Amino acid sequence: GAGVSQSPRYKVAKRGQDVALRCDPISGHVSLFWYQQALGQGPEFLTYFQNEAQLDKSGLPSDRFFAERPEGSVSTLKIQRTQQEDSAVYLCASSRGQGATDTQYFGPGTRLTVL
Amino acid sequence: GESVGLHLPTLSVQEGDNSIINCAYSNSASDYFIWYKQESGKGPQFIIDIRSNMDKRQGQRVTVLLNKTVKHLSLQIAATQPGDSAVYFCAEPTPNFNKFYFGSGTKLNVKP
Repeated sequence: GAGVSQSPRYKVAKRGQDVALRCDPISGHVSLFWYQQALGQGPEFLTYFQNEAQLDKSGLPSDRFFAERPEGSVSTLKIQRTQQEDSAVYLCASSRGQGATDTQYFGPGTRLTVL
Repeated sequence: GESVGLHLPTLSVQEGDNSIINCAYSNSASDYFIWYKQESGKGPQFIIDIRSNMDKRQGQRVTVLLNKTVKHLSLQIAATQPGDSAVYFCAEPTPNFNKFYFGSGTKLNVKP
């Protein structure tokens, strides 16, 4: 595809609801990353996939956060029992190379608001 | 105008002037750096990158300088335009080269 796409662009959830955020990376990109960005801050790493393998999930803030990339392409970030502190922009990025060896291209993000 | 990155998060320049945004990095083994531009409501957009075997790299109106001795990176924007107004991030790999670390960024305001 032309770039990384994410859906939905905006999501409002009531506290306690589960949400699923989708990322479509650039076709053929091996690596996929999820970041969380709070207002006025830089992106904070959540998790990294190389193809379908989740190689690093050290940034996931709690076991309520779960990510998958079953076929090595599209990825879903799921947040269970959302809390107000989960409100943020969730960014997805993909790169051709492995890990932090190549340029990461970002999607537009999903803005999650938990009421 | 010149910024010292995290210690001066906002840089205001006059349209047409040159801008310099600075970034200090922590890992002397880092071999790849990226500058991103993020406009309000959008994801970070790649501007330019540089590998550690280079001291300077030029793009269209942008130049990145790398000083490995003092672990310092700068982004120079020539003839700054209103469309350059955004937050600029430098990114460096974490020590395991598994992911990138982003600082909190520098906000560039271009005054007409």
